Amino acid sequence: KQEVTQIPAALSVPEGENLVLNCSFTDSAIYNLQWFRQDPGKGLTSLLLIQSSQREQTSGRLNASLDKSSGRSTLYIAASQPGDSATYLCAVPSNDYKLSFGAGTTVTVRA
Amino acid sequence: NAGVTQTPKFQVLKTGQSMTLQCAQDMNHEYMSWYRQDPGMGLRLIHYSVGAGITDQGEVPNGYNVSRSTTEDFPLRLLSAAPSQTSVYFCASNPAPSYNEQFFGPGTRLTVL
Repeated sequence: KQEVTQIPAALSVPEGENLVLNCSFTDSAIYNLQWFRQDPGKGLTSLLLIQSSQREQTSGRLNASLDKSSGRSTLYIAASQPGDSATYLCAVPSNDYKLSFGAGTTVTVRA
Repeated sequence: NAGVTQTPKFQVLKTGQSMTLQCAQDMNHEYMSWYRQDPGMGLRLIHYSVGAGITDQGEVPNGYNVSRSTTEDFPLRLLSAAPSQTSVYFCASNPAPSYNEQFFGPGTRLTVL
């Protein structure tokens, strides 16, 4: 069974600092890994989808890396802003058509 | 495109009542899923569908029924609500194959008293 872990559970940084969010998974036979953002009381917004054949995927200030062999992905957010405050979730698809989610990292960016 | 829509946004039920959570998508996606999100437990898959007329169970299916009569709609039925079903419910869809990017609805916050 795929287990997805996100560390740390919470993170507080001053505005302008770079954010580093970690995601690890136990079964390296993944098709891809998806990073989501969730604002309080809201749904999930897809940020990045990184395919198993890719090492990195970038969108604006966001960069996600993937190391399948070690079962790790890292989401980097450059020059953080208060608007980046949210919970960030990573998820990997299992062979049986479901996503396995981590519990998330809650980020607070202090102005 | 409206994407994935869910109704209602909030619902309060009494133990033993039944209800249906609605989910619709206008992206012509083959795959649709229902998840529940609970504090400290992340999102867990309840049921999923790989096309009209085809559904299957996820991790936590007990107490829930689904059907998929059209590509667009995937309702989730609570047969006899229990306090343990208090949660936030999310519907998601994605194009085939299963490992394509998933799109989520805004969620339904359900409280069972």
